Amino acid sequence: DTGVSQNPRHKITKRGQNVTFRCDPISEHNRLYWYRQTLGQGPEFLTYFQNEAQLEKSRLLSDRFSAERPKGSFSTLEIQRTEQGDSAMYLCASSLAGGDDELFFGSGTQLSVL
Amino acid sequence: QKEVEQNSGPLSVPEGAIASLNCTYSDRGSQSFFWYRQYSGKSPELIMSIYSNGDKEDGRFTAQLNKASQYVSLLIRDSQPSDSATYLCAVNDMRFGAGTRLTVKP
Repeated sequence: DTGVSQNPRHKITKRGQNVTFRCDPISEHNRLYWYRQTLGQGPEFLTYFQNEAQLEKSRLLSDRFSAERPKGSFSTLEIQRTEQGDSAMYLCASSLAGGDDELFFGSGTQLSVL
Repeated sequence: QKEVEQNSGPLSVPEGAIASLNCTYSDRGSQSFFWYRQYSGKSPELIMSIYSNGDKEDGRFTAQLNKASQYVSLLIRDSQPSDSATYLCAVNDMRFGAGTRLTVKP
């Protein structure tokens, strides 16, 4: 296993378009997290799954954002009707519940909304 | 009030000095505390975790936790230029602070 994989690495879209990102966690990890990070800020929590169940979603998250984790494996994050303020790095991380809680991050997807 | 607050920095120390990074958190029930390092253009990686009051040492790094004061810190001894990065405090494995940028000058 080569770690957490995210695709695409970069996405440029026009305002109003929908985008979808994919995250493949480390295979034995049952927890999966999505974060958003802008320059000079720490990762902002978006949502988290344990297996296929979405256990928490940030109160600040617009309803334009939705995430899924079918079958408890890979996850997708969709942003509908993108806005320029959505431009950021979207990070996925995974961990093993019952382990030492260390998060392993993917390389992220850099979204630019024009 | 933000859930996790850090000195935004930037913090600059000379090579060989001790760098001290601080973090406070708002949830008194928090049980798990983490320090991550993030190099420019890279993703965060775990440096240390701490769960009990007191100090925890790992090589040149020491994490300190005081739950009564809701305070956690990271000390880096004998700082090296390769330690130059942003250091992120995380609580309960989900919430991160804004990070403190550290520069170690040769």
